[in-house]
Amino acid sequence: DGGITQSPKYLFRKEGQNVTLSCEQNLNHDAMYWYRQDPGQGLRLIYYSQIVNDFQKGDIAEGYSVSREKKESFPLTVTSAQKNPTAFYLCASSIFMTAYSNQPQHFGDGTRLSIL
Amino acid sequence: DAKTTQPPSMDCAEGRAANLPCNHSTISGNEYVYWYRQIHSQGPQYIIHGLKNNETNEMASLIITEDRKSSTLILPHATLRDTAVYYCIVRVGGANNLFFGTGTRLTVIP
Repeated sequence: DGGITQSPKYLFRKEGQNVTLSCEQNLNHDAMYWYRQDPGQGLRLIYYSQIVNDFQKGDIAEGYSVSREKKESFPLTVTSAQKNPTAFYLCASSIFMTAYSNQPQHFGDGTRLSIL
Repeated sequence: DAKTTQPPSMDCAEGRAANLPCNHSTISGNEYVYWYRQIHSQGPQYIIHGLKNNETNEMASLIITEDRKSSTLILPHATLRDTAVYYCIVRVGGANNLFFGTGTRLTVIP
C-alpha cells in the first residue's frame, strides 16, 4: 500500500547525542515536511522540502537538520543543540505545492522521542 | 492563515451522525477549509477539504456556509473507531504550513 513510513516508533536520546528520524514515502509526492507536536498542542513546522536537494526552514528549525537526497526520503536529525527535544515528530508529504495548489498533506504515524 | 474555533469536546451515539462545527469568521477568499483527525499516538489523518461548495467522500461530508464563515464536518454513521480529535484548518492554497489548533475531541458512545 502507498503511504508514509516513519521509523523508529519510539526513540531515546542521551544528553549530547544526535539522533536521526527516518521518513520514507512511496506516494510519488514531491513535497515533504517535518512537524513537532507537544502534548495538548498543535503541530509546529520544523523543515520542509518541495523538491530533491532543496529544503527550507520552518518555524522552529533551530537544533534540527534535514537532507533530501532522494524524492522518497526526508530524514530529520535532532542535534544536541536542541535543548528540549522530547516530543512527537510527524513527517508528511504532498503533491508539489504551487500557489494555486490545494492538495492536502498526508502524515506518517510519527516517532516519539524521549530524553534518557 | 485564518483562525478557527471548535468546541473542545462532543459525544455521539454509535450509528448516529456526528456533526462537528467549525467557525472561521475571518477566512479570506483564497483559503480552503481542511479537516483532519488524530487518534491517540498516531499521525493526523486527512479527511476532506473544500473551498466554497459542499464536498463528500467515502469518509465524510463537508458543509460550508454560503458566507464561508463556518463549516460542519458530518460523519454519517459514527463508529467507535471514529473516536479521535478532529481538527478544522483553513489554509491558503500552496501554503506550506498547517496550523492545527486544539480541535474537538469526539467520543463515540456504544
